[in-house]
Formats: sequence, structure tokens, C-alpha cells
Amino acid sequence: NAGVTQTPKFRILKIGQSMTLQCTQDMNHNYMYWYRQDPGMGLKLIYYSVGAGITDKGEVPNGYNVSRSTTEDFPLRLELAAPSQTSVYFCASSYGGRVNYGYTFGSGTRLTVV
Amino acid sequence: AQTVTQSQPEMSVQEAETVTLSCTYDTSENNYYLFWYKQPPSRQMILVIRQEAYKQQNATENRFSVNFQKAAKSFSLKISDSQLGDTAMYFCAFMKHAGGAGGTSYGKLTFGQGTILTVHP
Repeated sequence: NAGVTQTPKFRILKIGQSMTLQCTQDMNHNYMYWYRQDPGMGLKLIYYSVGAGITDKGEVPNGYNVSRSTTEDFPLRLELAAPSQTSVYFCASSYGGRVNYGYTFGSGTRLTVV
Repeated sequence: AQTVTQSQPEMSVQEAETVTLSCTYDTSENNYYLFWYKQPPSRQMILVIRQEAYKQQNATENRFSVNFQKAAKSFSLKISDSQLGDTAMYFCAFMKHAGGAGGTSYGKLTFGQGTILTVHP
């Protein structure tokens, strides 16, 4: 059972480039989330999804886009990367009915924009 | 909107001793959940303990326990018999109840800034 898998683990991006952070889970969870963790700070919610075809903005959505075409996958798209997007990105998932028991997190993607 | 504050950026403790990490939060909700997550150098986020706000009894998980003071909006984590493997950043987090005021929360978490805990041999 792989849980939540994020790829890549590390990436260096040049200003203005675009990329997609991949997230997939094999637990049939309907809720999925993307958070970012800036150095020395807590995690902030970028986007979330409560099921295939349903997504909504979190606290810091600017500069990002998401899609949820399947239950398993929840990719995060960065368009026109900026230095302010240098961060560690975490994907997480949960059953909606048990979300108050906490999430399963991926291992994170460290992104540097130069 | 909810806020979560961890006022201790760094803490240290000797192996086998006890340490308490502080967390305060601000909310107008009556029903909610509180969590402590551990992030070791591997970067993996690991759930340590959770507390349901409508339960007065403090949660306990082995060496980890909480002191939940609802009126004071305080949620501290006590680690007993500290071990070298407890070295990590610890995050306090808040989640509204699914049927909270303003609609469902969809399980969104609000995190504190984190406390780096170092356990010394």
C-alpha cells in the first residue's frame, strides 16, 4: 500500500517556467489537499478537492491551478514560476467521513525557483 | 477565520526528560478538532495526537499527552521520557467540525508556525 505518492521530490525551476507537481493516492480517499510550507513556517492550504471533478481554493491559491479528473490523482500546476513559490509542497488525502481523524500526507516536493 | 499560534520557535530537552510544547488558537467555533503533527528531518508529516473539542478528557497516546483548556483556547503537548527519535518540528493544527458555523469545513487544517524540538543525549 503506497499511500500518497508525490513526484518529483526535488526540482529547480527558472523564473517564468511552468511545471506540474504530481500527487496520487491508492486509498480511494475522496478528499485531497495541497499545502505549501515556507521556511520556518507552518503549512498553508493552496487548493483542495472533495471528489473527482470538484476543486476549490484554499488560503493561498494565486499562481496555481489544480484538476481532479480521477479519485486517485490531484496534480498541482504552477504557471509562470516566481521566486515567491520557492517552498515545500505537500499533498494529503482523507476519507471525507473520517477527515477529523487527520490526513495521510505525501513526503513532499521541495521546489526552488531561481 | 481561525488562527493558531505556537510561541516557542525552538525547544530542547535532555533524553528521558519531559518537555511541553505550547499552542494557542483563536476561533468562534464551539465544535472543532485539534492536532499535533510531527515533522522529522525526513520531512514526512506524522500525526501524533488529536483532541475533540467536545470531549473534556485530555487525549493520550503512549508518551504523548495534551493539556486541552477550551476556555483559554490552549492546547499544549507533553512528551514524557523524551527519546532521540522525538527530535523534529512539531505543528499544532485546527480543524472546524464538519457542520460548523458557515458551512462544512471539508477538513481544512489551519497550522501554527511550528516548534523545533531537539532531544539531546
